[in-house]
Amino acid sequence: DGGITQSPKYLFRKEGQNVTLSCEQNLNHDAMYWYRQDPGQGLRLIYYSQIVNDFQKGDIAEGYSVSREKKESFPLTVTSAQKNPTAFYLCASSPTGILGDGYTFGSGTRLTVV
Amino acid sequence: RKEVEQDPGPFNVPEGATVAFNCTYSNSASQSFFWYRQDCRKEPKLLMSVYSSGNEDGRFTAQLNRASQYISLLIRDSKLSDSATYLCVVNFASKIIFGSGTRLSIRP
Repeated sequence: DGGITQSPKYLFRKEGQNVTLSCEQNLNHDAMYWYRQDPGQGLRLIYYSQIVNDFQKGDIAEGYSVSREKKESFPLTVTSAQKNPTAFYLCASSPTGILGDGYTFGSGTRLTVV
Repeated sequence: RKEVEQDPGPFNVPEGATVAFNCTYSNSASQSFFWYRQDCRKEPKLLMSVYSSGNEDGRFTAQLNRASQYISLLIRDSKLSDSATYLCVVNFASKIIFGSGTRLSIRP
């Protein structure tokens, strides 16, 4: 079955540590996205990529980094520069040119700073 | 003013009732609109797109009012399984904005 796989489901990070969240899709979608969701707030876009080897900053990119070396993979690194990283992180993909529609989300990663 | 605003709820209604909630958007150039459903601690899933002429999918009806800049979602004959948070999504100028969601709770 096609879909998006995010791992790990739960992640604990110590202060000052970088961590990487994995996102893999086998839907053959060109576009991939990373969102952050905090309680009582909508999803906020961190980074997105429309094609391999290219990505753009979203609304809250500071303290995060991404890469898109393969169509199937779009890992997100939460760096120590991100001051408040505890949140629910969602990866999504969509066919190119379809915005909002056709989004498939992964099941998310809950990141907690300890 | 937020670009997309939703009443956070919760809306607490009995099973079988009809419930409706709105989502307002600030940019009149907004192009496309969607409703997503998100269950507790799960990922959002597309519920339906919202077309200018309105659209219906079973018990769910979505409407767009461009003049007043809002979209609505109506759920008829509500089921316990409809309990979730409903996210409004608006697209303009290649930008997607998610509302913070309206929480719906259906009681037996």
